[in-house]
Amino acid sequence: EVQVVDSGGGLVQPGGSLRLSCAASGFTFSDYEMNWVRQAPGKGLEWVSYISSSGSAIYYADSVKGRFTISRDNAKNSLYLQMNSLRAEDTAVYYCARDRPEYGVTLDYWGQGTLVTVSA
Amino acid sequence: DIQMTQSPSSLSASVGDRVTITCRSSQSISNYLNWYQQKPGKAPKLLIYAASILQSGVPSRFSGSGSGTDFTLTISSLRPEDFATYYCQQSYNTPFTFGPGTKVDIK
Repeated sequence: EVQVVDSGGGLVQPGGSLRLSCAASGFTFSDYEMNWVRQAPGKGLEWVSYISSSGSAIYYADSVKGRFTISRDNAKNSLYLQMNSLRAEDTAVYYCARDRPEYGVTLDYWGQGTLVTVSA
Repeated sequence: DIQMTQSPSSLSASVGDRVTITCRSSQSISNYLNWYQQKPGKAPKLLIYAASILQSGVPSRFSGSGSGTDFTLTISSLRPEDFATYYCQQSYNTPFTFGPGTKVDIK
């Protein structure tokens, strides 16, 4: 069974840092591209970042570029999001999501989400 | 960046109704359009990809159509478990933007 499990969220002060993790199982992780998507409380979905299967291609939303870093460890079947210089507007539930092959970024399996709250 | 719009933003419908949601992109995205369903407190679920291909396990009452800039999601006969928020998303180019969502609730 395909599973992706997000973790690492919590309360952090503005300007602080946090590292999110996503543990994948039930599929060959190294064959799949992965993404992070977030959802602010009561708001819609916002795509945050993409990483190719090998890690050689990476994209970010403008809202996080220069502050967030996506990475992966294929040996550990894990995806990460290092978030620095956090702002109140980064408060959201963060989801990791698997990208099904073909047709661009198409997210077929999602984690349960991990809440990041940026507040003093 | 490609902007995505959806209409309506919300609708009220009854079980058994036919429901249509429209999504429009600010430039042509061919058929690189996905639809997701999200229920409160849950992760989104992929319903349709490539504008019209039903994701495995999704009931056949859901269908998608369109290409270029105009797309529709249709639920042929609404069931109680379909009351949720629906998002379109373009998978054509980064940033891979979502529409603002359409909330379907009970009339």
